[in-house]
Amino acid sequence: QKEVEQNSGPLSVPEGAIASLNCTYSDRGSQSFFWYRQYSGKSPELIMSIYSNGDKEDGRFTAQLNKASQYVSLLIRDSQPSDSATYLCAVKGSGNYQLIWGAGTKLIIKP
Amino acid sequence: SAVISQKPSRDICQRGTSLTIQCQVDSQVTMMFWYRQQPGQSLTLIATANQGSEATYESGFVIDKFPISRPNLTFSTLTVSNMSPEDSSIYLCSVADSSYEQYFGPGTRLTVT
Repeated sequence: QKEVEQNSGPLSVPEGAIASLNCTYSDRGSQSFFWYRQYSGKSPELIMSIYSNGDKEDGRFTAQLNKASQYVSLLIRDSQPSDSATYLCAVKGSGNYQLIWGAGTKLIIKP
Repeated sequence: SAVISQKPSRDICQRGTSLTIQCQVDSQVTMMFWYRQQPGQSLTLIATANQGSEATYESGFVIDKFPISRPNLTFSTLTVSNMSPEDSSIYLCSVADSSYEQYFGPGTRLTVT
């Protein structure tokens, strides 16, 4: 069974600090990796995609991928209270086009 | 990214009835999906809506309970049939592009009494 694991949290981070969110996956053939942000009562919103090993930066967000360790992370620099949300990790495994979803990590940024 | 709308945004229905949820996209898309999300839970894929053919259902979901139509590349419907309180959930449609990034509609919040 292909799985994506995330710590459910909540993860509490002081405002201005770096928030680090982690995700592991079981399908070694996975090629595409995504981070979504979901505010309470809203639908998921894509914030980062990463396809190759290493870091990918977009503003205050950095996605990190290590395929050998089957590990993907999301760093949020200079965390703001508006970053408080649930962050979902999704992985496209080998084979079909569906995404496998983690359970999500609830992030709380404390002013 | 595509702009996706869903109707209705919410509804309260009596058990035993059916509700049809519509998903409209502002551009043609090949891959369209229907998800369910229980409060505080992650996303559960119900089915993949295939244009011009039957939907592909995930384990635990059957066509008689969740019939899906996909008449063209911009529109799909999901019907929740013979509803029970256990069907109370948020139902989301999403579309995927060629890089497999998925974009979601605003969701339909269903309460079954």
